[in-house]
Amino acid sequence: GAVVSQHPSRVICKSGTSVKIECRSLDFQATTMFWYRQFPKQSLMLMATSNEGSKATYEQGVEKDKFLINHASLTLSTLTVTSAHPEDSSFYICSARGGLLNSYNEQFFGPGTRLTVL
Amino acid sequence: GENVEQHPSTLSVQEGDSAVIKCTYSDSASNYFPWYKQELGKRPQLIIDIRSNVGEKKDQRIAVTLNKTAKHFSLHITETQPEDSAVYFCAASYNAGGTSYGKLTFGQGTILTVHP
Repeated sequence: GAVVSQHPSRVICKSGTSVKIECRSLDFQATTMFWYRQFPKQSLMLMATSNEGSKATYEQGVEKDKFLINHASLTLSTLTVTSAHPEDSSFYICSARGGLLNSYNEQFFGPGTRLTVL
Repeated sequence: GENVEQHPSTLSVQEGDSAVIKCTYSDSASNYFPWYKQELGKRPQLIIDIRSNVGEKKDQRIAVTLNKTAKHFSLHITETQPEDSAVYFCAASYNAGGTSYGKLTFGQGTILTVHP
């Protein structure tokens, strides 16, 4: 159990376009989903926390108008990178946390999406 | 907010030796400390975690210790094997209600290389 999927796994786009990344919890209801960004040889940096049915909470320095997050259901959250630029190229990873599945704070990670902006 | 420092950044050991990675955290409210192993291009995998009400936890060759007073925790891997080679991340999390929802703050990572 506790499987999280992401789609697409890789995406290459032109500068100025928008890219949508989906994060799904396949076998549990994710009350909270998190979005991370990881640059090469660096750690995971939390971008935002997403709760089903409410607005996402963004970390300091993350532009909410550029990184649109929607958590419309208990199994799906989406991250849209709007007007992407080469500096947005990174590894984007989501994680999900379900209150009924685990008794504490364990998060289950998706496989990540490699975004390359040309 | 929480700040997690991790050392060393790289660690090279011979197969069969032990490896120790240390982390310190700043927020005394943190109460959950997971360790992750990440291979290149893959998702982080939880290898062990510890809650703040426990001082030590062991799972076969892997153990974690927690010193709440000093606000540091460590990962111990014994009898290392080449397949242990990866990047290891520590993290800290707290439950403070509101919008925190248990968000994780990661350390900088340690590249572990186990030489055959």
